[in-house]
Amino acid sequence: DIQMTQSPSTLSASVGDRVTITCRASQSINNWLAWYQQKPGKAPKLLIHEASSLKSGVPSRFSGSGSGSEFTLTISSLQPDDFATYYCQQYHSYSLSFGQGTKLEIK
Amino acid sequence: QVQVVESGGGGVQPGGSLRLSCAASGFIFSSYAMHWVRQAPGKGLEWVATIRIDGTNKYYADFVKGRFTISRDNSKNTLYLQMNSLRAEDTAVYYCAKDHNIWTNYFDYWGQGTLVTVSS
Repeated sequence: DIQMTQSPSTLSASVGDRVTITCRASQSINNWLAWYQQKPGKAPKLLIHEASSLKSGVPSRFSGSGSGSEFTLTISSLQPDDFATYYCQQYHSYSLSFGQGTKLEIK
Repeated sequence: QVQVVESGGGGVQPGGSLRLSCAASGFIFSSYAMHWVRQAPGKGLEWVATIRIDGTNKYYADFVKGRFTISRDNSKNTLYLQMNSLRAEDTAVYYCAKDHNIWTNYFDYWGQGTLVTVSS
């Protein structure tokens, strides 16, 4: 099975900051990677698929990059609504898997 | 608009069974793969199972193989998860999730989740 590892686990930042979250796969997954945002008590929401394709309606301050086994999610200028937990997910293999999550907190 | 609504969660004793349902609307249900994903209290997301559009191909996480069965009724726009031999570690919110397309294996719409609690 493919293991997904996110870093950091927790990130403290301020409104207006640029932040980057990293996701590493235990083997190459090409660009078969999605990013989700989850707020407490709510279902996750899809942000990005195919590593860098922004879902329609998602603000352009979110961007994704990477291929192979290393990927990043960048938020260019943090807004109050962005404080949440972020998950990466690989869909290279039939056995799907998520990273453990990165909690983005207000500094 | 696209909606998926889970039901059927609740409390059950270890070794017991439960069937979750997911009612879909706002899209052509029979044209999309569907998935179950769970989240234990305070923990991360964990993929559980996937079913392709006609129900003939099903995929499971190792930890549920032989205990859980995913199925769908395209005439009723409903997805199911039959859970048998439940364990304490199966306690989680179970989400129904719609595939982005016929079978891409990522999830563009999620339900609100249904809580399953396995405890004696």
